[in-house]
Amino acid sequence: DGGITQSPKYLFRKEGQNVTLSCEQNLNHDAMYWYRQDPGQGLRLIYYSQIVNDFQKGDIAEGYSVSREKKESFPLTVTSAQKNPTAFYLCASSKGLAGRSVNTDTQYFGPGTRLTVL
Amino acid sequence: QKEVEQNSGPLSVPEGAIASLNCTYSDRGSQSFFWYRQYSGKSPELIMSIYSNGDKEDGRFTAQLNKASQYVSLLIRDSQPSDSATYLCAVSISGTYKYIFGTGTRLKVLA
Repeated sequence: DGGITQSPKYLFRKEGQNVTLSCEQNLNHDAMYWYRQDPGQGLRLIYYSQIVNDFQKGDIAEGYSVSREKKESFPLTVTSAQKNPTAFYLCASSKGLAGRSVNTDTQYFGPGTRLTVL
Repeated sequence: QKEVEQNSGPLSVPEGAIASLNCTYSDRGSQSFFWYRQYSGKSPELIMSIYSNGDKEDGRFTAQLNKASQYVSLLIRDSQPSDSATYLCAVSISGTYKYIFGTGTRLKVLA
């Protein structure tokens, strides 16, 4: 059963603490993305990666870091430098990078992680 | 600034009616167009993708694309209360790495 998994589903962070959100896909997709969604707002891109060992900043990368050591995995670390991290975090993947080729840039989402700062 | 605009709603339709959701985009380099359904507290789920002008039908859903007018729409026939959700429009732009998302239209199907 192919898909994208994210863990944990809910995460609570204390002030000054780094936390890591997991994202795994078994769709054999090359491209992976992290978004943040705040209530009543659209999705904002944090980081994206098109191949292993390569990743690029999105629109709101400050206070976040990622790694892409394996094709299947794209973990996101929310660092203490992110001042307002409470949000719904969504991981997504696509076979090819957005805008490169039709039919390969359909993006699929994982179930999300809801992060709350205590 | 590349934008995707949607009416936030709520759009209320009676059960069994046709729901019509609209989306306009600003960048003529937009290549692929997507509709996602998002239930409250859940992640977006792909409903339809469309790449060429015209209509694309899948069950009760029809996506319509008009690149000249820069709009894409989603029609939901025989609307059901379970269709009540927020519908996100997204586009991918040729030559970039990005998907641009609208803020979504909230649909309420009244039983």
